[in-house]
Amino acid sequence: EAAVTQSPRNKVTVTGGNVTLSCRQTNSHNYMYWYRQDTGHGLRLIHYSYGAGNLQIGDVPDGYKATRTTQEDFFLLLELASPSQTSLYFCASRLGSQNTLYFGAGTRLSVL
Amino acid sequence: GEQVEQRPPHLSVREGDSAVITCTYTDPNSYYFFWYKQEPGASLQLLMKVFSSTEINEGQGFTVLLNKKDKRLSLNLTAAHPGDSAAYFCAVSSTGNTRKLIFGLGTTLQVQP
Repeated sequence: EAAVTQSPRNKVTVTGGNVTLSCRQTNSHNYMYWYRQDTGHGLRLIHYSYGAGNLQIGDVPDGYKATRTTQEDFFLLLELASPSQTSLYFCASRLGSQNTLYFGAGTRLSVL
Repeated sequence: GEQVEQRPPHLSVREGDSAVITCTYTDPNSYYFFWYKQEPGASLQLLMKVFSSTEINEGQGFTVLLNKKDKRLSLNLTAAHPGDSAAYFCAVSSTGNTRKLIFGLGTTLQVQP
């Protein structure tokens, strides 16, 4: 079973705060993704990467940066958090030759 | 780009009844289709992966139908039980090297005893 680990599981910050969400996968997957999940919007793709040092823009990238430091690690950065970024964030990974996404447990972020 | 519409957004059935969730998509070149299940407070778990070459796929207690002509994907839970209560999401794989998954908005299914 593919393993995707997110940290922290819960985070509270204030408007204008600096937040980093972490994701690690030990599946040797090359693709990694950051999604946000909001009621009424489903899952929306923020950023994704197909390897260390690579970054691709998703569908809702505004206000987010991401960095893929290694094959295993993908970080989502909110440098000036806003209340609109209060959401449930999921990281996912997949092998390049496969289409199945494996999801982490999620990080619930509240921006006050 | 690809658009995926999922219906209904909420569904309540009694134990033993069937439940049908449907997704329609726009890209005729879509090739891979997925159903994910998300239990309350949990992550998304893959329920079934469907290739465009197969129209009927059966799992444990459910059937997935793919109608490529109508660009419609459906999940049919036969004899639903309370453990099936969850949110269900369809996802369609876009074409191209990135193969992004486009998700439906989800269906919250409640199975009452």
